[in-house]
Parts: sequence; structure tokens; C-alpha cells
Amino acid sequence: GQNIDQPTEMTATEGAIVQINCTYQTSGFNGLFWYQQHAGEAPTFLSYNVLDGLEEKGRFSSFLSRSKGYSYLLLKELQMKDSASYLCAVMDSNYQLIWGAGTKLIIKP
Amino acid sequence: GAVVSQHPSRVICKSGTSVKIECRSLDFQATTMFWYRQFPKQSLMLMATSNEGSKATYEQGVEKDKFLINHASLTLSTLTVTSAHPEDSSFYICSARQREGQAYEQFFGPGTRLTVL
Repeated sequence: GQNIDQPTEMTATEGAIVQINCTYQTSGFNGLFWYQQHAGEAPTFLSYNVLDGLEEKGRFSSFLSRSKGYSYLLLKELQMKDSASYLCAVMDSNYQLIWGAGTKLIIKP
Repeated sequence: GAVVSQHPSRVICKSGTSVKIECRSLDFQATTMFWYRQFPKQSLMLMATSNEGSKATYEQGVEKDKFLINHASLTLSTLTVTSAHPEDSSFYICSARQREGQAYEQFFGPGTRLTVL
């Protein structure tokens, strides 16, 4: 079956760095997405990785290793507004998104 | 990023009535649109995938006669919840896919919160 695993919840301190991991097993691979979702709102797109390596976009970076079925989202200089759920999703061979359950990130002052 | 709008943002209706939700891709053409449902503190659940001009593909357990999807153009998809009941109360989110070369991006509308009394 298809499976996306990510931690349920993480806590970090304002100004610090946090890494959210995602491992996946899917039928085919056409890219991995990270989304941010604040409570009561729709997800917003953060990043898309289809090749191995690190993609940096401001305070957020996303890494992919296809051979290991592994990705992480790195958030630097954490701000209180970064408190949200972070969703990992993989596009399978049918170009459908397979979603992880999301990681709730709690930022403390 | 591309913009996806959704209307209405919030709707309250009586049990037995039908509710129509519109999803529009404002600055790009979306050959594929997706409809999701999300219950509180749960992950997104894909309901159906619709391609412009063809019938929607529904996920297992989703009643196609209850959740009518129309993807009439490359910028508009509609979801109609027919004969809504309290258990249909949920956050409904549409998403539109854009292809840029070999890369895909999927953008979400702001969601519609449906409350059925």
C-alpha cells in the first residue's frame, strides 16, 4: 500500500530551527510537496521537490532523497506565526497526491 | 503562486437542502481540479478528481449521487452537496493543478465551511 509518515506533533522555540521529517512508500513518484495549514484555513503551497537535494526558499528549505524515500522541511528563525500544521504529500505514478496526516508545529516564546 | 478562489467561504443550511460550492482558478487554466473534505483535527480526505469536460473520478466511499461535481471549463469546477445532512458538515476545499514543464504545482482554494442544521 501507499504510506506517508511524519511526526504528529513537534515543539520548538521562537528563533530556533526545526526539521520536520517525512518518509514515504508510494507506487511511483512524481514529486513531493510540502504545505502549511493554519487552523481553520486551507493549505498553502510551500515547496515541491522532484530531484534529490535541497531547495531553499527564504527561511524554509526542503530536502529530498528518492533512494531513501525521505524528505524533510527545515524552518529557520522560527516565528510565532509559523505555528501550524505542515503536510507532506507525494504525487504517485497516477499523478495523484498521497497525503501524510500532517505535523502540528507548536512554537513557544 | 497561482490563485484559486472558492465561494462561498461559509454556508449554513437546513437539513435536506442542496448546497453548491464554486471553485475557480483565477490566473491559470486547470486541467485537473480536486475536491477535499477535512473534519476537525484530521487530515485532508480526497473526495474526487475532476478533469475538464469529463466525469469526475470519486474516491471509494464517496457517494457520487450525493456529491455532484461539474468541471465545465478549465477555470471552474462546482461541487453540489445534495440533500445535505448534519454529518455532511465539514470543511470543503478545492484544489487546482497547474503544470509548468515537468513540474506540477497544486494550489488550494480558501475552503468552504459547511454547517448543516
